[in-house]
Amino acid sequence: SQELEQSPQSLIVQEGKNLTINCTSSKTLYGLYWYKQKYGEGLIFLMMLQKGGEEKSHEKITAKLDEKKQQSSLHITASQPSHAGIYLCGAPSSGGSYIPTFGRGTSLIVHP
Amino acid sequence: AAGVIQSPRHLIKEKRETATLKCYPIPRHDTVYWYQQGPGQDPQFLISFYEKMQSDKGSIPDRFSAQQFSDYHSELNMSSLELGDSALYFCASTSDVLYNEQFFGPGTRLTVL
Repeated sequence: SQELEQSPQSLIVQEGKNLTINCTSSKTLYGLYWYKQKYGEGLIFLMMLQKGGEEKSHEKITAKLDEKKQQSSLHITASQPSHAGIYLCGAPSSGGSYIPTFGRGTSLIVHP
Repeated sequence: AAGVIQSPRHLIKEKRETATLKCYPIPRHDTVYWYQQGPGQDPQFLISFYEKMQSDKGSIPDRFSAQQFSDYHSELNMSSLELGDSALYFCASTSDVLYNEQFFGPGTRLTVL
């Protein structure tokens, strides 16, 4: 089965700093989703990447998909305390279906 | 805008009891997914429904069953509860099963004592 490994597992940054979270798949990526989760709450969809090289931005968050490396990166520019939470990547287990596998998540703390 | 509604938000049960979790998808969403997230774990897919029919099955124990009703709401029935069933249970809905955005509910926190 597909496994998604996220790095780092946790991250503590000062407000205003940039940061990057990586998600690496053990198998071919047919697409990749990024979510944000506050502790004990539901997942909030951030963005979906479908094609290699695709890059999407939402406010100060940018994600890119590298199909060859089977990897996606999530970059936050000028982080704010509101960015704090757990970021999870998710990917379909096979092409043509959305039965997702999730990464373990990256816990982000932003100090004001 | 209407979001996915789950009830109850919190549930405490004893071992061997039964529990029923409910999920009300966003209006006009015909697909519902159920996930289980244990403490410190990533969400695990349990089961999904499309147009009231089971569409995919994940790691759902035989003690659990689920269905989707004519109004598209879904219920997850859990019997013979075990301590290990304590987790956050999320449902998500979408209007397009293929590579489309899933909207997650706030979750039901089940604690089995």
